[in-house]
Amino acid sequence: GDSVTQMEGPVTLSEEACLTINCTYTATGYPSLFWYVQYPGEGLQLLLKATKADDKGSNKGFEATYRKETTSFHLEKGSVQVSDSAVYFCALSDHYGGATNKLIFGTGTLLAVQP
Amino acid sequence: KAGVTQTPRYLIKTRGQQVTLSCSPISGHRSVSWYQQTPGQGLQFLFEYFSETQRNKGNFPGRFSGRQFSNSRSEMNVSTLELGDSALYLCASSSQGAMDGYTFGSGTRLTVV
Repeated sequence: GDSVTQMEGPVTLSEEACLTINCTYTATGYPSLFWYVQYPGEGLQLLLKATKADDKGSNKGFEATYRKETTSFHLEKGSVQVSDSAVYFCALSDHYGGATNKLIFGTGTLLAVQP
Repeated sequence: KAGVTQTPRYLIKTRGQQVTLSCSPISGHRSVSWYQQTPGQGLQFLFEYFSETQRNKGNFPGRFSGRQFSNSRSEMNVSTLELGDSALYLCASSSQGAMDGYTFGSGTRLTVV
């Protein structure tokens, strides 16, 4: 079945450092890919998405490119801020049968940014 | 524009009881999904409704059920609560479904004692 694997955390960075959180996926069809972010005590917020190969999603300085050849969707940011501290989830939604209209999530990566 | 509203925010129930959680989606959104979040299992899909019809269901026992009303509001019910049902239950809505990207509510924290 479909699955998402993301790098283990926590990731601890200093302010203004570069961020990469790795995400790879396994899918039967041609999924859409997402990054969601969860701040403490809150629900998830959609950060960015990409719906087909080579698409780049971007928002708030974060970027991720849908790489079909490597089945990857790594999250990147050039300069992190303390306010970026949160848990980041990679997710997919596939287009076939029983996989439609549901999100399959990775385990989440905790990012802690120190001033 | 109001977000996704979940009530109540916190619940404490005794093993064996039943519980109903409520979700009001963003106005105009017809797809509503429910997810369970636990430290051990992460985020797991429960079910998705669109225009009052369940379109997909996750691998949860029959004690977990849901429904959607004509105004798109949704409820989920858990009967015969078990300790392992303690979790954060998240509701999410979108215009058409998962492909649009969901807007999540803040969740209902259920504790079963």
